[in-house]
Amino acid sequence: GESVGLHLPTLSVQEGDNSIINCAYSNSASDYFIWYKQESGKGPQFIIDIRSNMDKRQGQRVTVLLNKTVKHLSLQIAATQPGDSAVYFCAETSGANNLFFGTGTRLTVIP
Amino acid sequence: EPEVTQTPSHQVTQMGQEVILRCVPISNHLYFYWYRQILGQKVEFLVSFYNNEISEKSEIFDDQFSVERPDGSNFTLKIRSTKLEDSAMYFCASSVGAATNEKLFFGSGTQLSVL
Repeated sequence: GESVGLHLPTLSVQEGDNSIINCAYSNSASDYFIWYKQESGKGPQFIIDIRSNMDKRQGQRVTVLLNKTVKHLSLQIAATQPGDSAVYFCAETSGANNLFFGTGTRLTVIP
Repeated sequence: EPEVTQTPSHQVTQMGQEVILRCVPISNHLYFYWYRQILGQKVEFLVSFYNNEISEKSEIFDDQFSVERPDGSNFTLKIRSTKLEDSAMYFCASSVGAATNEKLFFGSGTQLSVL
């Protein structure tokens, strides 16, 4: 079945530095990818999405890169702030009406 | 900003009891979902619902689970006879279009504890 996983379970960065969170997926038919942020006690919150016909998409302070050749997705956060501390999940879908989540990376921002 | 609301925020129940988790999706959304997250683990898909019927379900969503949209605003998840392993955070989500094209908006979850 589909598999979406993350390379690193935890990431610590200094405030102001850039963060890069990585995600690997196994389903070559995946065509829509989303990054979610989950703060403690809350539901996943949408950050940014990208479709398989793109390889890069930028939002406010965030950039998602998609490499379909190696089935890799990354989330870059510029000038990381304490409020960015959370667990980040990548999720993907491949034509079915559901969304598969990866295992999550906990980002800790050190003031 | 519109949001998905879930009640209750916490539910404690005895093993074997029935529970109903309630959700009010965003009003113009047509697709509805339930996910669960066991403590420290990833968010797992349970079921998606569209046009008053289930469109997808996972292996987790067995005969003990059911969903219903009893009126124009609520979307419920029923667990008929709870087991210890049903203890988890349950998230409701909704989207304007199918998950293949539209992002899902999640509620804050119901923490279910089965004793």
